[in-house]
Amino acid sequence: NAGVMQNPRHLVRRRGQEARLRCSPMKGHSHVYWYRQLPEEGLKFMVYLQKENIIDESGMPKERFSAEFPKEGPSILRIQQVVRGDSAAYFCASSPVAGANNEQFFGPGTRLTVL
Amino acid sequence: QKEVEQDPGPLSVPEGAIVSLNCTYSNSAFQYFMWYRQYSRKGPELLMYTYSSGNKEDGRFTAQVDKSSKYISLFIRDSQPSDSATYLCAIGTNAGKSTFGDGTTLTVKP
Repeated sequence: NAGVMQNPRHLVRRRGQEARLRCSPMKGHSHVYWYRQLPEEGLKFMVYLQKENIIDESGMPKERFSAEFPKEGPSILRIQQVVRGDSAAYFCASSPVAGANNEQFFGPGTRLTVL
Repeated sequence: QKEVEQDPGPLSVPEGAIVSLNCTYSNSAFQYFMWYRQYSRKGPELLMYTYSSGNKEDGRFTAQVDKSSKYISLFIRDSQPSDSATYLCAIGTNAGKSTFGDGTTLTVKP
C-alpha cells in the first residue's frame, strides 16, 4: 500500500511565478491536510480538504494561496505570484476519516525555493 | 501564547539512555495526542497516537498523557543512534487539523 505521494519533491521558482504542489493521499483516505514548515520550525496547518470540499482553510493566507481536492486526481496547493517568504517545505497528510480517527500520515514534502 | 509548547532542546544523550520529550497545551478541547519523528529533509512519521490519559507503550516508546495538567510526554528507552531525529508532538480535535509543537532535536551518541 503506497504511502502519501507528493510531487515535485523540489521546486524552484522566481519571484512572481506560480507554484503548483500535488498530493495523492493514501489509498482509501479521503481527507487531505496541507502544512507548511519553515526552517527550524514546526509544521503550521494551512488547509483541510475532503473530496471537492474545503473544510477548514483557517491557516492559509487569504491572498495568492488556494487549494483544491477534485473528485478525480490529486489535491493541489497553488501559490500565485510567489515571494521569497514562500520558500519552505510543504507537507501533505491524509487520513481515512476525521474526528474519531485523527491519525494523519505524511508525504515526503515539496521543498519550494523562491529565487 | 502558543497552543502547544514543546521543550525546545536540542537534546544530546549517550546510547542506551532514557529520553524524555515533553509538551504542554492550553486548550482543553484537544482530544487526540500524537508524536511524530522527522528525519532531516523527510516527512514526519507517526510514532504514537492516543486519545486518553495514561500510558501507551509500543516497543521502546511510551507515550504519556495527563489531561488534567495538559501535559504529554514521550519516553524512549535504550536509545539508539538511529533515534537521532526531530520529534514533534501534535494535538488534534474532532475538527480534523492537528496543531504541532516546534519540535525537539535529539542526538544519540554511540
